[in-house]
Amino acid sequence: SYELTQPLSVSVALGQTARIPCGGNNIGGKNVHWYRQKPGQAPVLVIYRDYNRPSGIPQRFSGSNSGNTATLTISRAQAGDEADYYCQLWDSSTAWVFGGGTKLTVL
Amino acid sequence: QVQLQESGPGLVKPSQTLSLTCTVSGGSISSGDYYWSWIRQPPGKGLEWIGYIYYSGSTSYNSSLKSRVTISVDTSRHQFSLKLSSVTAADTAVYYCARTLVTDLFFDYWGQGILVTVSS
Repeated sequence: SYELTQPLSVSVALGQTARIPCGGNNIGGKNVHWYRQKPGQAPVLVIYRDYNRPSGIPQRFSGSNSGNTATLTISRAQAGDEADYYCQLWDSSTAWVFGGGTKLTVL
Repeated sequence: QVQLQESGPGLVKPSQTLSLTCTVSGGSISSGDYYWSWIRQPPGKGLEWIGYIYYSGSTSYNSSLKSRVTISVDTSRHQFSLKLSSVTAADTAVYYCARTLVTDLFFDYWGQGILVTVSS
């Protein structure tokens, strides 16, 4: 079965750039999607197909995917960006797979 | 605007069957463009896909839950449902229903989630 690996936590200073990695075997060959989840709320899609932003998501959010790592990048981090972030993909052997989630702290 | 709303009991006894329903509004559950999924999240933990149903009734389930899961659809009521049998405390979680495009396998709309606790 396919597995996605994320760090438990990432910290970033206010106004700086946060990078959240998502590791997987040859993940660069797959479409990766990212969700933001704030406490008590449902996840919200922030990046789809590696680097595309849904309407309403600020340009500060971007994504990349190559080799064995996909990365969600949040520029000019704000206090409101504090949340759990999950990567997700579809794999032919496992169907929908989520990473374990990364808690982003803005210092 | 598409909306999904979960409903069902918030408390289920061990060994019994958990039953939840997701009502879809603002969009057609009969559209061949979407899969309709259930996803769960144990308290303080990550997301786990449970399974999906297509409007035709075809399904796919997470292999780890397959023996206990049934997902069905009622297009006339704009609803799809989840049944999880022989529950234990490990099945305590927030259960979400969500939609994906058939051609783009990410979840674009989610319900607000419903907490189901398994306890005697």
